[in-house]
Formats: sequence, structure tokens, C-alpha cells
Amino acid sequence: EAQVTQNPRYLITVTGKKLTVTCSQNMNHEYMSWYRQDPGLGLRQIYYSMNVEVTDKGDVPEGYKVSRKEKRNFPLILESPSPNQTSLYFCASSFPGTPSYFGPGTRLTVL
Amino acid sequence: QQQVKQSPQSLIVQKGGISIINCAYENTAFDYFPWYQQFPGKGPALLIAIRPDVSEKKEGRFTISFNKSAKQFSLHIMDSQPGDSATYFCAAPSRAGSYQLTFGKGTKLSVIP
Repeated sequence: EAQVTQNPRYLITVTGKKLTVTCSQNMNHEYMSWYRQDPGLGLRQIYYSMNVEVTDKGDVPEGYKVSRKEKRNFPLILESPSPNQTSLYFCASSFPGTPSYFGPGTRLTVL
Repeated sequence: QQQVKQSPQSLIVQKGGISIINCAYENTAFDYFPWYQQFPGKGPALLIAIRPDVSEKKEGRFTISFNKSAKQFSLHIMDSQPGDSATYFCAAPSRAGSYQLTFGKGTKLSVIP
């Protein structure tokens, strides 16, 4: 089954404790991206990757890091999480020039 | 930077009625304009998408209308059903040739029996 998976689905952590949210897709998509979704603000892109070892900032990259060492994986790293990063996070992937497929989401709470 | 304005924020439609959601974009864009449907607790799911060289695309009860000169596109849901109750997002390419998408803020649709 074609899908984008994210782990964990739910995470409660404390300020400053480094965390990683994993994302994996099995569709051989070149393009992968991370979004955060907040009430009233819609979906905002954090980072994206055009292919392995090629990443770039989206609209709200501050406080986040990403890496793309393999085509199928695109982890999101929060080196020192803060409460304003409490949000619902989505990973997405696609072939170039086609609509994205989204993962099920990771709900992150930073205390 | 692309701007996408989506309206209305919320919409209540009776079962069997037509739901209409509108989006306007600012910068000339290419490739495609998708609509996503999101149910509570789930990720956005691609509903239907249209390329800018087409003025209308229909899939079942869902139709996208695209007006390139006005930089507007809309989603029509015919014979709306309670199961269509969800949040709908439009999106447009962030810039020409870009794989990035800029999303509207979403429309919460409630279809009442």
C-alpha cells in the first residue's frame, strides 16, 4: 500500500529536550516536505527536500532541522524544543510537479 | 511569495445542497492547483487537482472551476452529504516551477441532515 508514515504519532516533551520525528514513504518520491498545522493558520511549510542531500527552508524553518540521507526518509529534528513548537506536524511526499501525499500527522506538545 | 486567500472560513450546508468554496491566488503559477480534504485526527488527503490549462474538472460530485485571468479557483460539492463534513484546503504552487505549495487557511464544512 502506498503511504507516508510518521512516528511517533503523539509526543509530549519538555523544553530543551532534543527530539526527532521520523517520516518514511514507500512511493519512491523525490520530493518530501514537512508542515505544521496550527488553528487559524492553516498548513505552513517548514522544510522541503527535492532529493537526497538536497534540502531547503520553507516558510517557518526557525527551530527545526532536517536531513535527507535516503530517498525514502526525511526526519524532522527539534534540537531544543520550545512551547511555541507545540503543533500538529505533517510529512508529505510527491513526484515533481504533482500533488503531495500527506502522512497521518504527529501531535507534539512541548511543556 | 505566493498568497492564497480561501473563503468562507466555515460553511453550513443542508444535505443534498451545493457546497462552494473559493480560493484566490496572487502570483502567476503553474503545474496544478489541488484541493485537500481533512477529517479530524487525520492528515490532509488529496481530493481533486486541476492544471491551469483546463477551466473545469469533475470527479464524481466534486468539481473544480478555474479562472486563470481572475486568478481564482473554486470547489463545488454537489449533493452534499453528512460524510463530506470536513475541513477543505486549497493550495497553489508557491512560485513558477516550484514543487512547494502555499495553502489557504481552510474551510470547515458541516453538512446537516
